Amino acid sequence: DGGITQSPKYLFRKEGQNVTLSCEQNLNHDAMYWYRQDPGQGLRLIYYSQIVNDFQKGDIAEGYSVSREKKESFPLTVTSAQKNPTAFYLCASSIFRGSNQPQHFGDGTRLSIL
Amino acid sequence: ILNVEQSPQSLHVQEGDSTNFTCSFPSSNFYALHWYRWETAKSPEALFVMTLNGDEKKKGRISATLNTKEGYSYLYIKGSQPEDSATYLCAFGGAQGGSEKLVFGKGTKLTVNP
Repeated sequence: DGGITQSPKYLFRKEGQNVTLSCEQNLNHDAMYWYRQDPGQGLRLIYYSQIVNDFQKGDIAEGYSVSREKKESFPLTVTSAQKNPTAFYLCASSIFRGSNQPQHFGDGTRLSIL
Repeated sequence: ILNVEQSPQSLHVQEGDSTNFTCSFPSSNFYALHWYRWETAKSPEALFVMTLNGDEKKKGRISATLNTKEGYSYLYIKGSQPEDSATYLCAFGGAQGGSEKLVFGKGTKLTVNP
């Protein structure tokens, strides 16, 4: 079945450590997105990519990095510069760029600090 | 910073009741308004994307309306069922630069009691 796969489901980070969250889609979608959810808040955009080898910062990009070397993959690295990384992270994709395109979401990764 | 407000924050109804909730968004630079359903332990699922003032969309017992001039959208559920229990998210897509971005509300959590 086509869809978005995020892994791992749960991830723990030690102080000063970088961790990478995986997001893979087999929907042949051009655009991909990373969101963060904190308790009592709406989804906030971290980074997005409209096409391979291109990506833009969202509203809360500080302390995060991404790459888009393949159409189907958009990994998110949470660096040690992100001082409050504990959150639920959702990856999404849409067939084309544009805010009139519905987004398809993965199941999420919950990141916690050890 | 764009503000998307959803009300109420949570709602408890009995099976068979009809219900509705609201999404308020900026009335300027509108491009699209999305509704998503997010069931516990699942990924958010797109319900509707609306782009024109006066749009009405329907999917089974769920329908949505859009007023871009005053900046609100209503989601209606007719004859609620326990399987309708979920958090309903709305998201605003603006027409300015970075139009691929969506701004999400905090959601309305619906619980339907059998």
